[in-house]
Amino acid sequence: DTGVSQDPRHKITKRGQNVTFRCDPISEHNRLYWYRQTLGQGPEFLTYFQNEAQLEKSRLLSDRFSAERPKGSFSTLEIQRTEQGDSAMYLCASSQGVAKNIQYFGAGTRLSVL
Amino acid sequence: AQSVTQLDSHVSVSEGTPVLLRCNYSSSYSPSLFWYVQHPNKGLQLLLKYTSAATLVKGINGFEAEFKKSETSFHLTKPSAHMSDAAEYFCVVSDPGGGADGLTFGKGTHLIIQP
Repeated sequence: DTGVSQDPRHKITKRGQNVTFRCDPISEHNRLYWYRQTLGQGPEFLTYFQNEAQLEKSRLLSDRFSAERPKGSFSTLEIQRTEQGDSAMYLCASSQGVAKNIQYFGAGTRLSVL
Repeated sequence: AQSVTQLDSHVSVSEGTPVLLRCNYSSSYSPSLFWYVQHPNKGLQLLLKYTSAATLVKGINGFEAEFKKSETSFHLTKPSAHMSDAAEYFCVVSDPGGGADGLTFGKGTHLIIQP
């Protein structure tokens, strides 16, 4: 399967714990995006990378959220000191080239904070 | 700023009848518009996209959408619904001039197919 891969598919954690999600984009794609989707809503854009550079991070929900893409390939999204309101589906997408290109989505990581 | 309004949260049709999912958008620039579909426990899949070429866009699985600038609409249609079309559908706008490069999604329309 050469699509966007996300790991884990499900994560259950206790409030206050840190969690990290991984995304492996389609191999030749230089852009990588993170979104959050809460129940009954459409995905909400969080941040994106072009290669290893994080070009937009103002949409990250709080300073507890951070993302990295150290070698321009896979990316991680970390949430520190999780809260119950962080429970959601976290989606990753990748694309090749300039804006307007199609974004291909992974199946997501579902986070449940108890 | 860009935004998308999906006018119906749920649409129910009988198998074999036409499907219409309505979408209105707002954008400061010439937008790119997309429809994505999300089946349970699966990733978002692109149905079709509009990027300032032909105003009638054909997508996968028999879906199509028409871009109407005067009405700021991008409604999704299909002549004959199939049971496998039951899913969540998202209208999406991408506004390159907005600076963020992310997609802006509508809240989604849940399509129900009655046998």
